[in-house]
Amino acid sequence: AQSVAQPEDQVNVAEGNPLTVKCTYSVSGNPYLFWYVQYPNRGLQFLLKYITGDNLVKGSYGFEAEFNKSQTSFHLKKPSALVSDSALYFCAVFLTDSWGKLQFGAGTQVVVTP
Amino acid sequence: GAVVSQHPSRVICKSGTSVKIECRSLDFQATTMFWYRQFPKQSLMLMATSNEGSKATYEQGVEKDKFLINHASLTLSTLTVTSAHPEDSSFYICSATHQGGTYEQYFGPGTRLTVT
Repeated sequence: AQSVAQPEDQVNVAEGNPLTVKCTYSVSGNPYLFWYVQYPNRGLQFLLKYITGDNLVKGSYGFEAEFNKSQTSFHLKKPSALVSDSALYFCAVFLTDSWGKLQFGAGTQVVVTP
Repeated sequence: GAVVSQHPSRVICKSGTSVKIECRSLDFQATTMFWYRQFPKQSLMLMATSNEGSKATYEQGVEKDKFLINHASLTLSTLTVTSAHPEDSSFYICSATHQGGTYEQYFGPGTRLTVT
C-alpha cells in the first residue's frame, strides 16, 4: 500500500529560524509527492510537488522540499520562518493505481512564535 | 488559474433536513472531483471520487444513499447530505484535477456544516 507518514504532530519554531516539516513515504514505483498547507477553516493550498527531475523542489511562499530516495523522505523546509507560516501542513502521495487519489499524511501543525 | 469554489461556506441546518453543497472549478475543466470530510485538527478523509457523467465511487464505509454526489458537468459537482444528523456536522472539502494537468488536486475553501 502506498502511504506517507508525518512523524510530528506539531513543530514549534521561533520566527526567523529555519523550519522543517518531516514526511516519509512508502510506495511501489516512482513516487509523486505533494505538500499542501491549510489555514484555519480554509481549504488546502498547494505548495509544491515532486514528480521527476531535481531532488530539490522550490514552491510557493519560500518553501522548498528535498526528495531523498535512499531515505524515502520528502521534508518541507523554509530557511526563515514567519509567524504567518503558522498553519497545518499535509504531505501527500499520488496513488497511481486509484483514479488519481491522493493519500494524505496525518498533518503537522506548525507554530511560529514571534 | 485552477480556482475551485464551494458554496455555501457555512451552513446550519436542522436534524432531518437535507443540505446541498456545490463545488465548482472556475477557470478549468475538471476531469475528476473529490469530496473529503475533515474533523478538527485531523487529516482529510476521502469520501468519494466523481467523474463527469458517471456515478461516484464511494470509499469504504461511506453511505452512498446518505451522501449523494452528482457530477453534472466538467465544472460542477454537488454533495447532498440527506436526512442530516448532528454526527454529520463537519468540514467538507472538495477538490478537482485539471484536465491535462500534472497530478495535483486543487481544493475548494471548504464548507462548515453544523446540524442542530
